[in-house]
Amino acid sequence: DIQMTQSPSSLSASVGDRVTITCRASQTISTYLNWYQQKPGKAPNLLIYGASSLQFGVPSRFSGSGSGTDFTLTISSLQAEDFATYYCQQSYTTPRTFGPGTKLDIK
Amino acid sequence: EVQLVESGEGLVQPGGSLRLSCAASGFTLRTYWMHWVRQAPGKGLMWVSRISTDGIDTTYAGSVTGRFTISRDNAKNTLYLQMNSLRAEDTAIYYCARESPGDRYFDLWGRGSLVTVSS
Repeated sequence: DIQMTQSPSSLSASVGDRVTITCRASQTISTYLNWYQQKPGKAPNLLIYGASSLQFGVPSRFSGSGSGTDFTLTISSLQAEDFATYYCQQSYTTPRTFGPGTKLDIK
Repeated sequence: EVQLVESGEGLVQPGGSLRLSCAASGFTLRTYWMHWVRQAPGKGLMWVSRISTDGIDTTYAGSVTGRFTISRDNAKNTLYLQMNSLRAEDTAIYYCARESPGDRYFDLWGRGSLVTVSS
């Protein structure tokens, strides 16, 4: 199975900050990397697919990059509604493993 | 409205069984591979199982292999997860998710069903 790691595991930031979350796969996954946002009590919501494609309806302050084994999710200017937990997921092979998550909270 | 709605949640004793359903509306289920993902209380997301469009190809996480069975009824636009020999560590919210072809991301999720395994 492909193992996914994320860093940091938690992050405190302020509205307006630029934030970057990294994700690493245990083997190459090309660009089969997706990012999800999850708020408490809610289902995950797709933000980025194919490492860098923005899902329809997701604000342009979210962006993704990377290929192979190393990926990043960047939020260019944090808004109040962005405080949540973020998960990466590889879709290169089955099982479709998720990273452990990065909890983003208000400083 | 395009949505997935899970049902069948509940409390079950260790060793017991439960079947979850996931009803699709607003789209044709038969054209999508489908997955189950779970989330234990306070924990991260864990992929559980997937099924092909025709229901023939199924795959499971190692921790549920031999105990869980994924299936689908395309005529009823419904996905299922039969869970047997349940353990305390199976306690979680179970989400069904639709996989988009190509990049294979999960573009539609249900709200989740809570399964509690406890005596």
